Amino acid sequence: EVQLLESGGGLEQPGGSLRLSCATSGFTFSTYALTWVRQAPGKGLEWVSTMNAGSGNTYYADSVKGRFTISRDNSKNTLYLQMNDLRAEDTAVYFCAKDNSLHYFDFWGQGALVTVSS
Amino acid sequence: EIVMTQSPGTLSVSPGERATLSCRASQNVKTNLAWYQQKPGQAPRLLISYASTRATGFPARFSGSGSGTEFTLTISSLQSEDFAVYYCQQYNKWPLTFGQGTKLEIK
Repeated sequence: EVQLLESGGGLEQPGGSLRLSCATSGFTFSTYALTWVRQAPGKGLEWVSTMNAGSGNTYYADSVKGRFTISRDNSKNTLYLQMNDLRAEDTAVYFCAKDNSLHYFDFWGQGALVTVSS
Repeated sequence: EIVMTQSPGTLSVSPGERATLSCRASQNVKTNLAWYQQKPGQAPRLLISYASTRATGFPARFSGSGSGTEFTLTISSLQSEDFAVYYCQQYNKWPLTFGQGTKLEIK
């Protein structure tokens, strides 16, 4: 059974940093792209970042480019999102998702809430 | 950036009736289009990929169609568990983009 479990969310002040983790199981982690998608309260889905498997190529939404860094540890089957210089508009539930490598998402975690507020 | 526009924003339908949801892309995305279902407090769930391939676990009353810039999700006979928000997503070009969602509510 494929499982993804996010952690590391919480309350942070504007300008601060947080690191999200996504622990996975049930699939061969090293062979799939992985993605972060966020959802602001009461709003729709917004793609944030994707990291490919073999090449390790990374992609970012313009809204987070230069502030967020996606990474993965294939030995721990874990995906990360380092979020720096946080802004109020980064407040959202952050989902990690297994990317089928054609870049739609066939399994999702339950999400981690990030709140940016002073 | 490819803009995905869903209509209507809210659709009110009675159980047992048919629901038709639309998704329009600002550029040609071929059939690189997915649909997701999201219920309150839950993660999205993949419903359709490649515009018309139904994901495991969804019954045949769900169907997707279209290519290029115009796509449709049809639910042939609504059941109570189908009332949710539905999102389309294009994966033809970076950045990946979602529509704003259609809320399917009970009439």
